[in-house]
Amino acid sequence: QAQLVQSGAEVKKPGASVKVSCKASGDIFTGHHIHWVRQAPGQGPEWMGKIDPNSGGTMSAQKFQGRVTMTRDTSISTTYMELSKLSSDDTAVYYCAISIEAAAFPSYDYWGQGVLITVSS
Amino acid sequence: EIVMTQSPATLSVSPGERATLSCRASQSVSSNLAWFQQKPGQAPRLLIYGASTRATGIPARFSGSGSGTEFTLTISSLQSEDFAVYYCQQYNNWPPITFGQGTRLDIK
Repeated sequence: QAQLVQSGAEVKKPGASVKVSCKASGDIFTGHHIHWVRQAPGQGPEWMGKIDPNSGGTMSAQKFQGRVTMTRDTSISTTYMELSKLSSDDTAVYYCAISIEAAAFPSYDYWGQGVLITVSS
Repeated sequence: EIVMTQSPATLSVSPGERATLSCRASQSVSSNLAWFQQKPGQAPRLLIYGASTRATGIPARFSGSGSGTEFTLTISSLQSEDFAVYYCQQYNNWPPITFGQGTRLDIK
């Protein structure tokens, strides 16, 4: 059974950075790109980017380019998403997600539990 | 960037009745569209991908239709557990992948 387990909630000050982890179970880590999606309170989901755990190659939304860094540690089947220069607009729940059933398309059937990142002075 | 517009923002329906939710894309997304259900405090749950294919374990009362720019999610006979927020997502032209702002399905 595929499972994605994320790190815990954090509170950050404006201008700081945050690094969220996502550990994948079983053999899904190297077989699927891992996407990062965030959701601000009362808003729809927003795609941030993705990482290929095999190659380490990444793709990110233009909105976050220059602020988001996605990395992976294959030895522990974990990917990381770091977001810098935080502002209050970055307060959101951050999810990692993968697509297994329709693997060729990013229609996510497995999600992490989500991590609430609060940016407040 | 493709903008996804969902309507209505809120839909009030009685249990046992049919619910019809709409999603419009600002340009054609072919059939590269998914629908998600989200309940408070939970991650979104995939219902439909490829515009009309039900994901594994999704009840047959959920159906998706449409292609191009107009899509519909139909729930044929609402159960109590179906009252939630529903999002559409396009993955035809990305980056970025984009989502709609959601339709809240309330009990009437």
